[in-house]
Amino acid sequence: EAQVTQNPRYLITVTGKKLTVTCSQNMNHEYMSWYRQDPGLGLRQIYYSMNVEVTDKGDVPEGYKVSRKEKRNFPLILESPSPNQTSLYFCASSFGLATSTDTQYFGPGTRLTVL
Amino acid sequence: AQSVTQLDSHVSVSEGTPVLLRCNYSSSYSPSLFWYVQHPNKGLQLLLKYTSAATLVKGINGFEAEFKKSETSFHLTKPSAHMSDAAEYFCVVSDSGSARQLTFGSGTQLTVLP
Repeated sequence: EAQVTQNPRYLITVTGKKLTVTCSQNMNHEYMSWYRQDPGLGLRQIYYSMNVEVTDKGDVPEGYKVSRKEKRNFPLILESPSPNQTSLYFCASSFGLATSTDTQYFGPGTRLTVL
Repeated sequence: AQSVTQLDSHVSVSEGTPVLLRCNYSSSYSPSLFWYVQHPNKGLQLLLKYTSAATLVKGINGFEAEFKKSETSFHLTKPSAHMSDAAEYFCVVSDSGSARQLTFGSGTQLTVLP
């Protein structure tokens, strides 16, 4: 089944404790992206990657890192989480590099709470 | 620069009555427009998309949207609401010249009353 998977689905952690949220897709998509969803703000893009070893900042990249060593995986790293990073996170992927017509496929989300 | 405004944060309709979710956009290029739906505790699912072909776009589950360039609108409609339509809906715009792809609206929560 074609899908985007994220782990963990739920995570409660404390300020400053490094964490990684994994994202994997099995559709051979070149484009992958991370979003955070906060009430009343919709989804905001954190980072995106147009191919292996190619990443760039989205609208809200502060406090986050990403890597794209393999085509299928795009982990989101919080080196020193803070309470303002408490949010619902979505990973997404699509075939296109930068074509606006491509449909993005979303993972199920990771709900992160930073105490 | 691109942006999207969903004009209603909450919409309530009775089952069997029409649904209208409003979306206005701003785009420097020829935009692509999408509607996504998010059911409680679920990820986002694509309902429909406009990509400069027919201005009236039909999607899944009986939804459709009409692209109106003169009004910079892309409203989502359904003739008859079903209880299973209760969810949050996001209007999304993407400029043809943007490498960041998608800009999301703030969402409209649809409640369907029995």
